[in-house]
Amino acid sequence: DVDLVESGGGLVHPGGSLRLSCAASGFSFSTYSMNWVRQAPGKGLEWISYISDSSATIYYAESVKGRFTVSRDNAKNSLFLQMKSLRDEDTAVYYCARNGSETPGGMDVWGHGTTVTVSS
Amino acid sequence: IQMTQSPSSVSASVGDRVTITCRASQGVGSWLAWYQQKPGKAPKLLIYGASSLQSGVPSRFSGNGSGTDFTLTINNLQPDDFATYYCQQSNSFPRIVFGPGTKVNI
Repeated sequence: DVDLVESGGGLVHPGGSLRLSCAASGFSFSTYSMNWVRQAPGKGLEWISYISDSSATIYYAESVKGRFTVSRDNAKNSLFLQMKSLRDEDTAVYYCARNGSETPGGMDVWGHGTTVTVSS
Repeated sequence: IQMTQSPSSVSASVGDRVTITCRASQGVGSWLAWYQQKPGKAPKLLIYGASSLQSGVPSRFSGNGSGTDFTLTINNLQPDDFATYYCQQSNSFPRIVFGPGTKVNI
């Protein structure tokens, strides 16, 4: 089965750092571009980062630019999000999501999410 | 590009037809997707390309529109359809923007 499994979330103090991981299985990970999307408690979805299949192209939302770094290891079928200088407003469930090859513009596979809580 | 959705919530009954509207602040062509999200769960892709039904999604879901105005229609609402629905534009891909969501209540 096609699957994405996030890990690495937890409680962190403001100003701290955290590294999220997303393990992919059941598909050719190296041929898909990927995203990180987050959802603050009780709020809507916010796209925060994109990485192309080869890592050649990377984009960030303004809200995280300069603080978050996305990367991937295609040999290990893994996606990462390094988060630093965390703020209260970064508290959210973080999802990794695949850009579908047959669903242009749509993210067709999502992980279950990992929760990040930024609090003192 | 900013996305708006209306209504923000709607109350409906099993068997009803529900229509949700999504509007973009500027034209996005047909680069519009719809997702369903249930509490505590990840979003699920329903529609891409404004009107293409994702594999495995029931045919009671349909999408329409282009440019700035889009609709998601759910015919014969089923108990499993009570959820929050988000539109998402990808005309500015890969900088994706989601709408604020519409909650479909019983």
